[in-house]
Amino acid sequence: DQQVKQNSPSLSVQEGRISILNCDYTNSMFDYFLWYKKYPAEGPTFLISISSIKDKNEDGRFTVFLNKSAKHLSLHIVPSQPGDSAVYFCAASAGGAQKLVFGQGTRLTINP
Amino acid sequence: EPEVTQTPSHQVTQMGQEVILRCVPISNHLYFYWYRQILGQKVEFLVSFYNNEISEKSEIFDDQFSVERPDGSNFTLKIRSTKLEDSAMYFCASSLLTKNYGYTFGSGTRLTVV
Repeated sequence: DQQVKQNSPSLSVQEGRISILNCDYTNSMFDYFLWYKKYPAEGPTFLISISSIKDKNEDGRFTVFLNKSAKHLSLHIVPSQPGDSAVYFCAASAGGAQKLVFGQGTRLTINP
Repeated sequence: EPEVTQTPSHQVTQMGQEVILRCVPISNHLYFYWYRQILGQKVEFLVSFYNNEISEKSEIFDDQFSVERPDGSNFTLKIRSTKLEDSAMYFCASSLLTKNYGYTFGSGTRLTVV
């Protein structure tokens, strides 16, 4: 089941620069997308979401972009901080379903 | 900040034994969920629970699995006869409204079946 894919298992970024995490999906029924952050030994923490009727949503340093025609979304973190080092998951859902389908995650490392 | 509490943090059980994983969701939340993550794999949906009944379940959630909200605070996942492949991190989550507002996840229970 590869409905949601995060093709980069890891990403390393300099502190203060922009981090861009990418996610692709195949199911055209997905209409809601979320990003979660996960530290070791903790559960995923909700970061930001976007509905398919929008193409951008911003919350502080975090912005999610959605390109429906390309079935692609990205999370931008500006500026990146050491505390942003974690595994980032994108997730998607379809219609009224409660189920979230997760990608494999991208490990982001912010270097000082 | 309110949090979802899961116990135990780590459970080791013998194959074929029953296990109960416990969760205390955030008190005013209405929707409850179980997810699992097998080591090195994706986080996978198991089941959602609303208004005292299962609202959705995945193909993973077969007859060996059951969920219960025995009182106003606990939410449990029972695996009747554990298999080696049930070894995973199990996450409980809850949300006040639907998933679109993001769940709050617990820290997980690491289940090891030997």
